[in-house]
Amino acid sequence: DTAVSQTPKYLVTQMGNDKSIKCEQNLGHDTMYWYKQDSKKFLKIMFSYNNKELIINETVPNRFSPKSPDKAHLNLHINSLELGDSAVYFCASSQDQLAGVYQETQYFGPGTRLLVL
Amino acid sequence: GEDVEQSLFLSVREGDSSVINCTYTDSSSTYLYWYKQEPGAGLQLLTYIFSNMDMKQDQRLTVLLNKKDKHLSLRIADTQTGDSAIYFCAERPTGSARQLTFGSGTQLTVLP
Repeated sequence: DTAVSQTPKYLVTQMGNDKSIKCEQNLGHDTMYWYKQDSKKFLKIMFSYNNKELIINETVPNRFSPKSPDKAHLNLHINSLELGDSAVYFCASSQDQLAGVYQETQYFGPGTRLLVL
Repeated sequence: GEDVEQSLFLSVREGDSSVINCTYTDSSSTYLYWYKQEPGAGLQLLTYIFSNMDMKQDQRLTVLLNKKDKHLSLRIADTQTGDSAIYFCAERPTGSARQLTFGSGTQLTVLP
């Protein structure tokens, strides 16, 4: 009964490669997110997405692109990986409204630990 | 600008109360959150408080919100070794389209 799941859990790859991280939520939520957690544990939003809008944090390089095949999935594709991309990437989701009340609580996946060599 | 601040470390003895503090900048934030991250794990939502509340209690957890000072605290009563983790506070600033801004996290260490 996993709520927000991510694959793979660990990813080790060479500089310059292209990789994707997958995220799925079975909560029926409207909005999904990607966050990056660096080695100092600092968390920063990268993207938020629902079927109406994609919000991109302006500091995110355009090598990063979210792809959503459907409402339950938001994958993160990374081109030309760099050493500085090594981090833990968290997917999250939230439901916009429940019984007419705006909801904001985000639920996080377990994270994908990316190491670029 | 958006900035959420927390002290980096806190150590307490098992059975004592822990108080983790957080200051935020956006006075119009509607929700404020506390998340827990255990080693090697993802973020677990602990509790949240709506901005029109001063206090929220949930079992061993008590959240206090001082909107005037933009100060949020999380009190854990009867702290256990299993409470050792990093605790993040987060706010959703106005106009951020649901995106959360996190503090740097407080590493809580519970000593036996």
